[in-house]
Amino acid sequence: GAGVSQSPRYKVAKRGQDVALRCDPISGHVSLFWYQQALGQGPEFLTYFQNEAQLDKSGLPSDRFFAERPEGSVSTLKIQRTQQEDSAVYLCASRIHRVKDNEQFFGPGTRLTVL
Amino acid sequence: AQKITQTQPGMFVQEKEAVTLDCTYDTSDPSYGLFWYKQPSSGEMIFLIYQGSYDQQNATEGRYSLNFQKARKSANLVISASQLGDSAMYFCAVTSGSRLTFGEGTQLTVNP
Repeated sequence: GAGVSQSPRYKVAKRGQDVALRCDPISGHVSLFWYQQALGQGPEFLTYFQNEAQLDKSGLPSDRFFAERPEGSVSTLKIQRTQQEDSAVYLCASRIHRVKDNEQFFGPGTRLTVL
Repeated sequence: AQKITQTQPGMFVQEKEAVTLDCTYDTSDPSYGLFWYKQPSSGEMIFLIYQGSYDQQNATEGRYSLNFQKARKSANLVISASQLGDSAMYFCAVTSGSRLTFGEGTQLTVNP
């Protein structure tokens, strides 16, 4: 498919477990974003990559959250020692160009439930 | 910091009628972009329409138009001829650097 894909679509973790969420952006898209969407809320920015460089990680809520994009394509968001408040949908988006007003294309999200 | 306010948690409209979803924003950037996204119950975010802050004309995309009033910092979405498939959550967003800052959304229900 030509869209942004994310895996897994659903993840259930016990409190304290580590999780890794994957994002495959649209081929050739330079920019990649991660957002967190709590139930009934709008998405909130977590972090931004331009190619392999993480240019903004100011939205990561704690040092338990870590994201990488080592080859400038696939990205992984890792959450260590998950807590119940981490339960949310994690959305990945990509953008073709670094010009800020280009549309961001979103993936279907990963719904994380921490028990 | 940027902020988006969507004051209508829920809206109802009859099929084939038009509906306006409100959005006001606050940003200190001299140049910015405004976006509307649709999120059906399946969860994906679908881009609808974009308005640049320096665009002179209001943006239109098919049945969607954006009523942009810069002095009022308002960017309302107008959906004409509503369809049952328009029932979804709608989010307004403003560019903030490279990131998007979203509002809390409006749940639109289209009644037959």
